[in-house]
Amino acid sequence: DAGVIQSPRHEVTEMGQEVTLRCKPISGHNSLFWYRQTMMRGLELLIYFNNNVPIDDSGMPEDRFSAKMPNASFSTLKIQPSEPRDSAVYFCASSLLEHIQETQYFGPGTRLLVL
Amino acid sequence: GDSVTQMEGPVTLSEEAFLTINCTYTATGYPSLFWYVQYPGEGLQLLLKATKADDKGSNKGFEATYRKETTSFHLEKGSVQVSDSAVYFCALSGDNAGNMLTFGGGTRLMVKP
Repeated sequence: DAGVIQSPRHEVTEMGQEVTLRCKPISGHNSLFWYRQTMMRGLELLIYFNNNVPIDDSGMPEDRFSAKMPNASFSTLKIQPSEPRDSAVYFCASSLLEHIQETQYFGPGTRLLVL
Repeated sequence: GDSVTQMEGPVTLSEEAFLTINCTYTATGYPSLFWYVQYPGEGLQLLLKATKADDKGSNKGFEATYRKETTSFHLEKGSVQVSDSAVYFCALSGDNAGNMLTFGGGTRLMVKP
């Protein structure tokens, strides 16, 4: 299996621009998670989906952030407009919902720098 | 709510030294416990896990035992290598949390030759 795939791996943009991060979960997995990692705040769960439906988005920092999962094999995290404080590494992870307390498998992350 | 506390780093050891990274948790019921490892520039990878009390998870020479009486899941390795240098995260998945994970803050391990 190819594992969780994220793109782009690196993104540099200017403040005010729209940023879209993409994730392809492991085939057959039906839970998907978006995390943000920074030195100051560590690893934070932003949002997660079960069967393409958002279950908990309480970690999304503000209205500038939005996430979608139009089908079982694709999800996006969008930041509009981006700000320098959004600079972080964003991870996507997936797991199998039917196995309670199952392992999450992480992608390699997208390193975002907002200038 | 659920929480995980792990020792702050960095932990600096010489090669072949014994490693312990402490992890304690707060949760209701019977959570599953995990250790993830993050190598520089990479995502998190599952290192080991335990799903019930007294279970021992092990992988790549690392071990951790699920101790319900002390609510702990300490990570140990008898002889560390330079290649073990990474950040280690303790995590739990609670009874009613589906597959959500609650992570500790991470502990950076640096192993010197």
